[in-house]
Amino acid sequence: GAVVSQHPSRVICKSGTSVKIECRSLDFQATTMFWYRQFPKQSLMLMATSNEGSKATYEQGVEKDKFLINHASLTLSTLTVTSAHPEDSSFYICSARGPDRGFGYTFGSGTRLTVV
Amino acid sequence: DAKTTQPNSMESNEEEPVHLPCNHSTISGTDYIHWYRQLPSQGPEYVIHGLTSNVNNRMASLAIAEDRKSSTLILHRATLRDAAVYYCILDSNYQLIWGAGTKLIIKP
Repeated sequence: GAVVSQHPSRVICKSGTSVKIECRSLDFQATTMFWYRQFPKQSLMLMATSNEGSKATYEQGVEKDKFLINHASLTLSTLTVTSAHPEDSSFYICSARGPDRGFGYTFGSGTRLTVV
Repeated sequence: DAKTTQPNSMESNEEEPVHLPCNHSTISGTDYIHWYRQLPSQGPEYVIHGLTSNVNNRMASLAIAEDRKSSTLILHRATLRDAAVYYCILDSNYQLIWGAGTKLIIKP
């Protein structure tokens, strides 16, 4: 089945530094990838949708200059949290869409970001 | 806007069937119904999805009401490994609309 690999699984960084999270589709081409954020005991919140070769579309309230998304190839999308602050600490999850609606969506294993 | 409503939690005994309900009364005609489940500190795992007809796979069955305003995820024989948060999601033209999820507790 479709696999999405997300790295790192957890990261601790100092306040003010930047962190990059990678999301790779291993056995299929993902023209569209999604980035989510999840707070404890809550559902996933969509942050942005990235399409290969074009700018990401950000949800309302998500700072595009803070959460930089790059989708340079059909198998790789990256999320960079710039100038991280403790309030950015969260669980970040990527997802890739299958080739058509019959395939559903495949999620990465998530990245636990802790900013100290 | 379409949305989904799920019970906050449900309990079931091990090796018994589990029926997880979801209401989506504002669903549109082309919206797919997806179910995913999530363990703590992991990404969601695909369970099943469908459009109009009932669906079966090795993990579960999806029963969709005739008017499509509700659906039920059926786990035929729950095991302890099925304990998770189950999300009912509408795929509305590739826009995913998430429910709050049902925490399924399996009692041995």
